[in-house]
Amino acid sequence: AQTVTQSQPEMSVQEAETVTLSCTYDTSESDYYLFWYKQPPSRQMILVIRQEAYKQQNATENRFSVNFQKAAKSFSLKISDSQLGDAAMYFCAYRSAPSGSNYKLTFGKGTLLTVNP
Amino acid sequence: NAGVTQTPKFQVLKTGQSMTLQCAQDMNHEYMSWYRQDPGMGLRLIHYSVGAGITDQGEVPNGYNVSRSTTEDFPLRLLSAAPSQTSVYFCASSSGLRHGYTFGSGTRLTVV
Repeated sequence: AQTVTQSQPEMSVQEAETVTLSCTYDTSESDYYLFWYKQPPSRQMILVIRQEAYKQQNATENRFSVNFQKAAKSFSLKISDSQLGDAAMYFCAYRSAPSGSNYKLTFGKGTLLTVNP
Repeated sequence: NAGVTQTPKFQVLKTGQSMTLQCAQDMNHEYMSWYRQDPGMGLRLIHYSVGAGITDQGEVPNGYNVSRSTTEDFPLRLLSAAPSQTSVYFCASSSGLRHGYTFGSGTRLTVV
């Protein structure tokens, strides 16, 4: 079974600075998808960014980018120019590609990000 | 386009009571799932469905039932509520692998 580990329960960053959230995962599969979700105090789960394992190019979405290291099974999230609205819990998630096992997301336990003004 | 709609948003139950958490999506998604979120545990899969008429158990299915009679609806039933079921429950749907899941706004359930 796949596991996802977020080793930083809490992180903080100064407004306008850059922060990197870590995520590692364990799998024997070669084809899969990785996601970062944001959960602000409103409780809503918001998809921030996705990465397809067969793509070597790191995904970017505006101020959010990932560093995907397939061999190391690492998938970190970099937030540039941090804003107060980025304060939230961030979850890393894994989804298998093969049929029969691709129905679920496996989540890490989350990293609580605080943004200081 | 409403996305994934969950009701109610908050609920308090007494031990032993039963109830149904409603979930509906209007995106014609095949995949639907129920997760529970507990502090320090992330989100754990309760039950899932890969299409109308098809459901299966996830990681923590005990005490819960689901059905999927239509593509749109995927209700979660608590059979006999226990304090251990106090949690935040999320319904989610997905159209395909690369799109991840779209989540509802969650239900905070307290069992006393």
